[in-house]
Amino acid sequence: KAGVTQTPRYLIKTRGQQVTLSCSPISGHRSVSWYQQTPGQGLQFLFEYFSETQRNKGNFPGRFSGRQFSNSRSEMNVSTLELGDSALYLCASREGGSPLHFGNGTRLTVT
Amino acid sequence: SQQGEEDPQALSIQEGENATMNCSYKTSINNLQWYRQNSGRGLVHLILIRSNEREKHSGRLRVTLDTSKKSSSLLITASRAADTASYFCATEGSSGGYQKVTFGTGTKLQVIP
Repeated sequence: KAGVTQTPRYLIKTRGQQVTLSCSPISGHRSVSWYQQTPGQGLQFLFEYFSETQRNKGNFPGRFSGRQFSNSRSEMNVSTLELGDSALYLCASREGGSPLHFGNGTRLTVT
Repeated sequence: SQQGEEDPQALSIQEGENATMNCSYKTSINNLQWYRQNSGRGLVHLILIRSNEREKHSGRLRVTLDTSKKSSSLLITASRAADTASYFCATEGSSGGYQKVTFGTGTKLQVIP
């Protein structure tokens, strides 16, 4: 089976812009979670989607949003980018109680 | 917010030595997992231990869990240079009726050949 695929791998944006990141989970996995990783804060949980419904959300401002499509692919959107949004954004998929399977992330740099 | 705190934050050992990393958490859990991350890449699952288990082995890995102390440890025996990576503990527990996985702060391990 193909692993979790995240696109793009790298992204450079300017403050105030918005960005959309994409995640294709492992085939058959209905749960997709997003994490933000920064050197200072470690891995912070953003949200989890299951069968197109958000079922968990972390403590992030409303500028961070996501969605999941019927084929389980997920996107996350960050509007009005701030310098502090620079991070590695990781997507992980799972099915049932299995461990998380991570993609290699999207490295977002906000200038 | 972080559920788990790991120590040490960084660890440097010689090849062949054992490496021990500790994780402490705050709330009740269903299971605890350990992941590995090579620089700039995604995390890879290593081992899962359920809340009713005390010890688990997988190859050169040994994980212990003490739910009364809310702590876990990961032991890597006979380390290799290829073990150089960051290691994270993650706790899974109930949140809003669903299971949520929350990560610790990680331990950066360097194995010197």
